[in-house]
Amino acid sequence: KQEVTQIPAALSVPEGENLVLNCSFTDSAIYNLQWFRQDPGKGLTSLLLIQSSQREQTSGRLNASLDKSSGRSTLYIAASQPGDSATYLCAGYNYGQNFVFGPGTRLSVLP
Amino acid sequence: NAGVTQTPKFQVLKTGQSMTLQCAQDMNHEYMSWYRQDPGMGLRLIHYSVGAGITDQGEVPNGYNVSRSTTEDFPLRLLSAAPSQTSVYFCASSHAGEQYFGPGTRLTVT
Repeated sequence: KQEVTQIPAALSVPEGENLVLNCSFTDSAIYNLQWFRQDPGKGLTSLLLIQSSQREQTSGRLNASLDKSSGRSTLYIAASQPGDSATYLCAGYNYGQNFVFGPGTRLSVLP
Repeated sequence: NAGVTQTPKFQVLKTGQSMTLQCAQDMNHEYMSWYRQDPGMGLRLIHYSVGAGITDQGEVPNGYNVSRSTTEDFPLRLLSAAPSQTSVYFCASSHAGEQYFGPGTRLTVT
């Protein structure tokens, strides 16, 4: 059964820093990995989807990578801004099974 | 294209009352699911459906019923609300391993 963990649970950085959020999974047969952002009291917004045949995806200041052999995905945020403050969740999908979410990393970017 | 919609946005129930949380999607996705999100517990899968007429239980199904009569709609029924069901409920649909979430329903049971 797929299990997903995220480290750190919380992170506080000054504005302008580049940062990396980590997502680990136990089953390397993972098909897709999706990163979401959730603002307090709000729903989940999809940020990036890395499909089975891909190793990374980029959108603006965000870059997500997927290494199936090591069971890791990382979300890189360049030049962080206070507006990036939110909880970031990763979710793994194994074909024919349900999605499995990590517990999230709560990010605070200080002005 | 509205994506995934949920109604209501907020609801307060008394213990023992029943209600239905509505979820609809207009993307013709076969897979739909319901999650609840509680502080410190993350997202937990309640029920899911892989197509019209097919539903199955997730991690925390007790106290909830679902049905899937059409591809578009996937309602979640609380049979007899309990304070432990106070939570935020999210509906999602997916295609090719990519999930799309609704805005959520915040439910309080007193």
